[in-house]
Amino acid sequence: RKEVEQDPGPFNVPEGATVAFNCTYSNSASQSFFWYRQDCRKEPKLLMSVYSSGNEDGRFTAQLNRASQYISLLIRDSKLSDSATYLCVVNMGDNFNKFYFGSGTKLNVKP
Amino acid sequence: DVKVTQSSRYLVKRTGEKVFLECVQDMDHENMFWYRQDPGLGLRLIYFSYDVKMKEKGDIPEGYSVSREKKERFSLILESASTNQTSMYLCASRPGLAGSEQYFGPGTRLTVT
Repeated sequence: RKEVEQDPGPFNVPEGATVAFNCTYSNSASQSFFWYRQDCRKEPKLLMSVYSSGNEDGRFTAQLNRASQYISLLIRDSKLSDSATYLCVVNMGDNFNKFYFGSGTKLNVKP
Repeated sequence: DVKVTQSSRYLVKRTGEKVFLECVQDMDHENMFWYRQDPGLGLRLIYFSYDVKMKEKGDIPEGYSVSREKKERFSLILESASTNQTSMYLCASRPGLAGSEQYFGPGTRLTVT
């Protein structure tokens, strides 16, 4: 079983739609959680950290559910520029330098 | 603004060659990482370093070695390149604070023929 699992998609949505991604992780001792965005042939860039209380940044909302061991990302009012692959990243806690990456969820926002 | 740079964006090498991939960060970060990214497999950790001359194996260290002689520079070495090492290689750095994120370089797409 992979440490971090994501639905690879692609999610094809029209502009203005709301879309949600989930990511599950295997280690209940995981400490830190992140969503990264990766454009085609580019490096991953931090979208947002995920806090226990949930957090929001503009159109983006991240939630953490420790009991069920998943994190989610909600994108409201999708823009064409949101088209990218979204990576779920988890630090397992046994070593704060060991990060595990999901294989990514591809989002295509269509006009 | 954090900057992580990698020596090459594209590299083509022959089987059996020794390959050096260089990474430099300018933010005085303690920790540096080398990953490879393959379709469907996500990013997998090869090695990381938490201090000068210190290193730890990641999940797939076989066929690779690393060197960190200066804090800002972390090198990945393929002692004898093989075709299954054709991949995108990503370097990252992060500060020593627990919970802090990683900053990535632009990547090196290595093809071994």
